[in-house]
Amino acid sequence: GEDVEQSLFLSVREGDSSVINCTYTDSSSTYLYWYKQEPGAGLQLLTYIFSNMDMKQDQRLTVLLNKKDKHLSLRIADTQTGDSAIYFCAEIPSNQAGTALIFGKGTTLSVSS
Amino acid sequence: NAGVTQTPKFQVLKTGQSMTLQCAQDMNHNSMYWYRQDPGMGLRLIYYSASEGTTDKGEVPNGYNVSRLNKREFSLRLESAAPSQTSVYFCASSSGTGVGELFFGEGSRLTVL
Repeated sequence: GEDVEQSLFLSVREGDSSVINCTYTDSSSTYLYWYKQEPGAGLQLLTYIFSNMDMKQDQRLTVLLNKKDKHLSLRIADTQTGDSAIYFCAEIPSNQAGTALIFGKGTTLSVSS
Repeated sequence: NAGVTQTPKFQVLKTGQSMTLQCAQDMNHNSMYWYRQDPGMGLRLIYYSASEGTTDKGEVPNGYNVSRLNKREFSLRLESAAPSQTSVYFCASSSGTGVGELFFGEGSRLTVL
């Protein structure tokens, strides 16, 4: 079945780069997503990448996609304390009607000053 | 800009009681979803509705029922609550087209004693 795997915790110092990794199983996914959840809130789309791209950059965020290895990563440059949150990798399984996402378990990013 | 509104935000139930979580969106979205979030488990899809008049099971549907009342509203019902249903429940919606971004409510924290 579909599965999205992420490491559960990452701790960095303010100003460092953070790299959050994800592996997914469905090679037919058109888009792959990164969502961010701040404490006590729902998830918000942070960024996404189209499956025919290798890289997408958006200000401090860089998404890398390795389709051969089914590996997705999110790099946050110059990490700030406000980046402390849970980050979820997600995909839409190709065997499912509609656009329901399957999420990884989430990586808790802790940024210390 | 209400977006996705869930009620109630907090609820405590006794085992065997029933309750309904309400969700409404004002973005004219076609698709709506219910997820549950548990520590270390990430978000798991309970049910979704790809369009008005249709509902489908997700990964963890047992013990739940849903109703897509109209295009705006999608409710989740627990007929006989169990302690294993203690969780934070999120409703989400999407247009069902394009990038497929999901918009989430703020969550409903349910405790079953």
